[in-house]
Amino acid sequence: EAGVTQFPSHSVIEKGQTVTLRCDPISGHDNLYWYRRVMGKEIKFLLHFVKESKQDESGMPNNRFLAERTGGTYSTLKVQPAELEDSGVYFCASSQTTLAGGPSEQFFGPGTRLTVL
Amino acid sequence: AQSVTQLGSHVSVSEGALVLLRCNYSSSVPPYLFWYVQYPNQGLQLLLKYTSAATLVKGINGFEAEFKKSETSFHLTKPSAHMSDAAEYFCAVSVMNSGYSTLTFGKGTMLLVSP
Repeated sequence: EAGVTQFPSHSVIEKGQTVTLRCDPISGHDNLYWYRRVMGKEIKFLLHFVKESKQDESGMPNNRFLAERTGGTYSTLKVQPAELEDSGVYFCASSQTTLAGGPSEQFFGPGTRLTVL
Repeated sequence: AQSVTQLGSHVSVSEGALVLLRCNYSSSVPPYLFWYVQYPNQGLQLLLKYTSAATLVKGINGFEAEFKKSETSFHLTKPSAHMSDAAEYFCAVSVMNSGYSTLTFGKGTMLLVSP
């Protein structure tokens, strides 16, 4: 079974440009999460989809970030326009529907390393 | 709100020595606790999780962690380090909210293993 995949693995762009990150979750996983790790800091939650709906987007830094999950399959995270402070590693994770007894395991992708110059 | 503190951004051990990675959490409700590991160029992999059953949790690759409510700790241990254990380790806390949960991570601890 394929794991969570992310594309691209690395992206280097200039300030003011637009970048779109893609995440393909594990097939059948309704929950999809985006996290970000800025260098030297902790991994922080950005948002959570349940199928195609945004369940929680409280971690999105500002309106330059737009996440979509059309059809409840893959998701994209667009940054427009990118700023220097957006540099970091963006992780995607997916999980099955939460069962009784606790949260389902989140499976993480390898991340996309974004560098804004 | 919940938070996680990992003591030590880097921990160095010799091969065969005890591994101890410290994690303290803060949560206003009973938490679920996790340890993840990240090897170079890979995603985070779940090592083990505490979900209010046994307080001593055994995970993959010989790791285990003990939930201590009185100390709000969830330290990760392994009796004997292997070179292959060199990686970055993340402690995380999660609480259930309306049937859903998200992870709050610590800053991570890089484990260095020397021959």
